[in-house]
Amino acid sequence: QTVVTQETSFSVSPGGTVTLTCGLSSGSVTTSHYPGWYQQTPGQAPRTLIYNTKTRSSGVPDRFFGSILGNKAALIITGAQADDESHYFCVLFMGSGIWVFGGGTKLTVL
Amino acid sequence: EVQLVESGGGLVQPGGSLRLSCAASGFTFSSYWMHWVRQAPGKGLVWVSRLNIDGSITSYADSVKGRFTISRDNAKSTLYLQMNSLRAEDTAVYYCTRDGIIGREGYNWDYWGQGTLVSVSS
Repeated sequence: QTVVTQETSFSVSPGGTVTLTCGLSSGSVTTSHYPGWYQQTPGQAPRTLIYNTKTRSSGVPDRFFGSILGNKAALIITGAQADDESHYFCVLFMGSGIWVFGGGTKLTVL
Repeated sequence: EVQLVESGGGLVQPGGSLRLSCAASGFTFSSYWMHWVRQAPGKGLVWVSRLNIDGSITSYADSVKGRFTISRDNAKSTLYLQMNSLRAEDTAVYYCTRDGIIGREGYNWDYWGQGTLVSVSS
């Protein structure tokens, strides 16, 4: 069974840029996986950041970018702010109506 | 304002059943595909199931296939998840989420409910 991989944790300095990735245990992520990215703080529902690889959801600041980098989907956050400190989850469409989330990345801003 | 409100969670014994509901408002519910996603305490998000606009197309994660059934009542603007043969590992907060493209699968989950907690324990 294919596993969706994400970094367990990442740190970024305030004002800095960080790239979080979303890969597959076997194969490459492409736009046909329609990668989505979600932000979640403890006790809250997920918030949609990016869908369909690079489309920003309504109200999401343009500091958040989605793309394919090499064989992975990527979420790039520029000008990191304190309230970006959250968990970030990616999800991939695996075909046949099946979606799989990655395990999530805990981002620390310090 | 788009709102999704889940209900129906609670404590159930292993092997028991529960039916979750997701009441939608602020949009034309019958025009959107819908999904269920769950999150065990302290763990990550896990996709559970999805349903098309008229209920004729469904899909499930392997972990729930054959035990859970997704359905909808467009007249009541409500999404359901019937959960049978519940196991301890089904313990989680269950979220409903809307696929944000009208009329077709759009690969864009734009709105989420606040979730309802299901606890499976003896």
